[in-house]
Amino acid sequence: EDKVVQSPLSLVVHEGDTVTLNCSYEVTNFRSLLWYKQEKKAPTFLFMLTSSGIEKKSGRLSSILDKKELFSILNITATQTGDSAVYLCAVGLIQGAQKLVFGQGTRLTINP
Amino acid sequence: TAGITQAPTSQILAAGRSMTLRCTQDMRHNAMYWYRQDLGLGLRLIHYSNTAGTTGKGEVPDGYSVSRANTDDFPLTLASAVPSQTSVYFCASSDSHSTDTQYFGPGTRLTVL
Repeated sequence: EDKVVQSPLSLVVHEGDTVTLNCSYEVTNFRSLLWYKQEKKAPTFLFMLTSSGIEKKSGRLSSILDKKELFSILNITATQTGDSAVYLCAVGLIQGAQKLVFGQGTRLTINP
Repeated sequence: TAGITQAPTSQILAAGRSMTLRCTQDMRHNAMYWYRQDLGLGLRLIHYSNTAGTTGKGEVPDGYSVSRANTDDFPLTLASAVPSQTSVYFCASSDSHSTDTQYFGPGTRLTVL
């Protein structure tokens, strides 16, 4: 069974801190790994990673994939209260359809 | 631009009743998806459609049906709702010719009593 596990499930930090969110996976036919941010409603796309060791960066957010150890991390530096959200990790599979298998999510709370 | 719209925003439904959740996208994406999101379980795929006229089952298809008569619309029907179908339902779409990136609608919160 394809599985995506995120840790921690919940994290509370102070504004300005740096956080690292983890995503590990056990799937057959891996194609890609995606990160989404979910505030109140729809998940919004952050990154898609397909190659090991290549960091993707957007402002204070960055992510990297390790296909040998089967995990990815999402880093957020100099956190702000607006970073408070649930962060979702998903793995895309090569199965003829673009299916995504999602982890449970990490609920991040940034306190002022 | 609208992207993906879903209707209704929320609904309370009596068990045994039928309900259709609507989803429309204006991005001309080939592929569309329905997920349910439950606390502690993340997003789980119910049904998907790679292109108009085709559909497929996801991880949790029982009790749900879909149709894809055209590119833009992908309705999800609950023929006879049960309380375990209480959830938040998200519709998503992706451009099958580019990447795995899926774009999500705002969701429908459904409560079955």
